[in-house]
Amino acid sequence: GDSVTQMEGPVTLSEEAFLTINCTYTATGYPSLFWYVQYPGEGLQLLLKATKADDKGSNKGFEATYRKETTSFHLEKGSVQVSDSAVYFCALRNYGGSQGNLIFGKGTKLSVKP
Amino acid sequence: SAVISQKPSRDICQRGTSLTIQCQVDSQVTMMFWYRQQPGQSLTLIATANQGSEATYESGFVIDKFPISRPNLTFSTLTVSNMSPEDSSIYLCSSGQGTYNEQFFGPGTRLTVL
Repeated sequence: GDSVTQMEGPVTLSEEAFLTINCTYTATGYPSLFWYVQYPGEGLQLLLKATKADDKGSNKGFEATYRKETTSFHLEKGSVQVSDSAVYFCALRNYGGSQGNLIFGKGTKLSVKP
Repeated sequence: SAVISQKPSRDICQRGTSLTIQCQVDSQVTMMFWYRQQPGQSLTLIATANQGSEATYESGFVIDKFPISRPNLTFSTLTVSNMSPEDSSIYLCSSGQGTYNEQFFGPGTRLTVL
């Protein structure tokens, strides 16, 4: 079945450092890909999305490019801030043969220190 | 984007009791989903709730333990029955039928079972 694999955390960075969180997926057909963020004590928020190959999703300085050839959707940010400290979830949504629910990776906890 | 609210936001319950969580969406949606997020873990889909039909449960979840109602296109409830400490989790409601298959989440219900 469909699955998402994220790099293990936690990730600890200093402010203004470059961030990469790796995400790869296994899916039939052409899923949509998402990054969600969960700030401490809060629910999930959609951070960015991409619906087809070579699409780049971006929001709040974060970017991720849908790479079908490598089945990847790595999250990047050029300069992280303390306020970016959160848990980041990579997810896919595939309507082919399923109910269209999201399938999540295990999450990567990011801590940014001043 | 859809705005989803949940009640209660948190609760502390005794073993053997039941709790019903309510989920309200600010627009009509076909599909609603219920997820569980155990401490420090990713999200696991419990069931998909479509209006006018029985909920569809994922492997490991049964209707007797997690009965779901979906009386209309904007509302759903999840009941956690005969609770044990292992049911302590965050329960999240989700829906989505946006153009790019976005899925939005409620803020979650943080449940602690003593």
